[in-house]
Amino acid sequence: DTEVTQTPKHLVMGMTNKKSLKCEQHMGHRAMYWYKQKAKKPPELMFVYSYEKLSINESVPSRFSPECPNSSLLNLHLHALQPEDSALYLCASSLGQAEYFGPGTRLTVL
Amino acid sequence: QQPVQSPQAVILREGEDAVINCSSSKALYSVHWYRQKHGEAPVFLMILLKGGEQKGHEKISASFNEKKQQSSLYLTASQLSYSGTYFCGTEIGGNTGFQKLVFGTGTRLLVSP
Repeated sequence: DTEVTQTPKHLVMGMTNKKSLKCEQHMGHRAMYWYKQKAKKPPELMFVYSYEKLSINESVPSRFSPECPNSSLLNLHLHALQPEDSALYLCASSLGQAEYFGPGTRLTVL
Repeated sequence: QQPVQSPQAVILREGEDAVINCSSSKALYSVHWYRQKHGEAPVFLMILLKGGEQKGHEKISASFNEKKQQSSLYLTASQLSYSGTYFCGTEIGGNTGFQKLVFGTGTRLLVSP
């Protein structure tokens, strides 16, 4: 299995909702990442997990809460988001060099 | 810290060549190249790990000039499938000691028949 999967593909939520994004990989990669990408912009790193421990938090607001239950799964819990948080959220994994991206979740916050 | 790419956009006819440049104001220790098609995820193309290194991937190749802090991506005899946005990426050490990837500004490439 050489892919990263993400669910859901699309998500619409209100500012008071709580939702979660899920990411899964079975390539044995020990590093997993969350990126945020706005239209016509490069992906921006949010969080990095290495061996299931949070290694990097790019000063992301607390309304985004990452979780790594095991080496294959990565979640991003969302609560009280703002309309400006609408974007494509990409998950990626790596063995240390090349990063392999999932298809992303397109999030719209109303 | 974000690498700057040039040109910002380029339009080619099928079969033409293109060069995309990536420059950094800080020392480069490695350079990644990715392609992202519209509505899809970025796809890894190649990584260059040391100055002077050149790599090829079918008709797409890249070079890395460590002294000049820049890398170039060469697309030869472009195909329609080459259309997309190309990003370079550089690894930067975070304050936790873990390396993170910072993407360049991007170059939009359109190949027309």
